[in-house]
Amino acid sequence: GAGVSQSPSNKVTEKGKDVELRCDPISGHTALYWYRQSLGQGLEFLIYFQGNSAPDKSGLPSDRFSAERTGGSVSTLTIQRTQQEDSAVYLCASSSSSHPRNEQFFGPGTRLTVL
Amino acid sequence: GENVEQHPSTLSVQEGDSAVIKCTYSDSASNYFPWYKQELGKRPQLIIDIRSNVGEKKDQRIAVTLNKTAKHFSLHITETQPEDSAVYFCAAVIGSNSGGSNYKLTFGKGTLLTVNP
Repeated sequence: GAGVSQSPSNKVTEKGKDVELRCDPISGHTALYWYRQSLGQGLEFLIYFQGNSAPDKSGLPSDRFSAERTGGSVSTLTIQRTQQEDSAVYLCASSSSSHPRNEQFFGPGTRLTVL
Repeated sequence: GENVEQHPSTLSVQEGDSAVIKCTYSDSASNYFPWYKQELGKRPQLIIDIRSNVGEKKDQRIAVTLNKTAKHFSLHITETQPEDSAVYFCAAVIGSNSGGSNYKLTFGKGTLLTVNP
């Protein structure tokens, strides 16, 4: 079946502009995660959605970052007033509570470059 | 919060040799330890995981060991092949034993493994 998809695959923007990154999780997956991967760094947790519960925003690096998940499916990560240090690959993952290992399935990522 | 340290950051081996990657974690309540493999330009994928109620798990050429007392776990790859070349990430999480997808993973910084033919 279809895996996690993300769009756009690449985004180049100018410093100070806002960007929106989209994630389509696997159908039926109740959990959705956003991570940031910078060069030479690990996967930095940003935010987590589980069903209708309030999201865990503990990983968001600043108030310029926000995310929504509408209808328990598609999620959008918004970065306002982008800075050069925001340049990274943004990965989305989803998982199912019914999966025996609760494996997180990752999307292909969005490579964000802030000039 | 949880902190995961991973070593080495890079590892180069000859084809056929073994490779070992080690991770330590800080939160003694962590009970689930997955390993993800990320090939160049691709998305991370789960390759093996271990729960805190076992000390070792094997799957063909890969194995993971867990020492809860010392709070460290390791990935072992035997008979390495060029296709094993990738970045490997360890992770730790405090998961709910009652079920549900409330696993917030804390990842290590990754190990770039290169297997030379």
